Amino acid sequence: QITLKESGPTLMKPTQTLTLTCTFSGFSLSTSGVGVGWIRQPPGKALEWLALIYWDDDKRYSPSLKSRLTISKDTSKNQVVLTMTNMDAVDTATYYCAHLTYHYNSARYYYRFDYWGQGTLVTVSS
Amino acid sequence: EIVLTQSPGTLSLSPGERATLSCRASQTVSSNYLAWYQQKPGQAPRLLIYGASSRATGIPDRFSGSGSGTDFTLTISRLEPEDFGVYYCQQYGTSPGFTFGPGTKVDIK
Repeated sequence: QITLKESGPTLMKPTQTLTLTCTFSGFSLSTSGVGVGWIRQPPGKALEWLALIYWDDDKRYSPSLKSRLTISKDTSKNQVVLTMTNMDAVDTATYYCAHLTYHYNSARYYYRFDYWGQGTLVTVSS
Repeated sequence: EIVLTQSPGTLSLSPGERATLSCRASQTVSSNYLAWYQQKPGQAPRLLIYGASSRATGIPDRFSGSGSGTDFTLTISRLEPEDFGVYYCQQYGTSPGFTFGPGTKVDIK
C-alpha cells in the first residue's frame, strides 16, 4: 500500500524559504520506473506541477519556477524534500506530493501520478 | 510549452446522464502522455485514465478516455452521485515536464 504525506510550515512570511517534506511508504525511490513529484493548487484554482525527482536522481523543474526550486531525496528515510525560495503571497496554495509511475510498453513510455498525499496548505502573509 | 484547454468550464448534469469532457492541446501530444484526474472538494486528485485511454486500477468502466493529436475526451457513460467534482487533464512533455489543464467542473443539475 503506497502512501505519501506532506509536512512543513503552514504560515510563512514573504521572502522566506519554504521547505516541504514528503514522507512515503509502500515503495522505494531507488526502484526503476518510479518518481516523486510536487504539485500545488492555489485556493479555488487549478493544479500546477512544480518539480519531479526520478529514482535515478534525475530532476525536472517547472521552467517558470526553476530558479526558486530545489528537489532532493533521501532514499534511506523514504523522503523527498522541496525547497522554494523567496515566497510570496501568490505562492499560497495546497502543496501535494505524488508518486509517479512510468513504464515502457510497445515502444512508448507511459507516465502518471497514481498516488497522492493529502496535501498541505501553505499560506504566505506578512 | 504546450497549453491545455478544457471545455466546458462547468457541466451541469443529472445522475444517470452521459458526461463528455474535452481537453485540447496547443500542440500535438502523444497519447501515451495524456492523463485524466478527478478531484473532489477538500481531497487530493485521483488518477482516472493514463495513456489517453487506459483506466487506472480500481476505476469503474463507466469512465473512458479517447483521443489523439490535440483533442482528447473523457466520457462518463452514466453519472453516479459520487462522480461530481472537478476533472483535470494532464500531459507529459520533455519540456517543461507536466502540464495540467484548467479543469472542468461536473456538478449536479
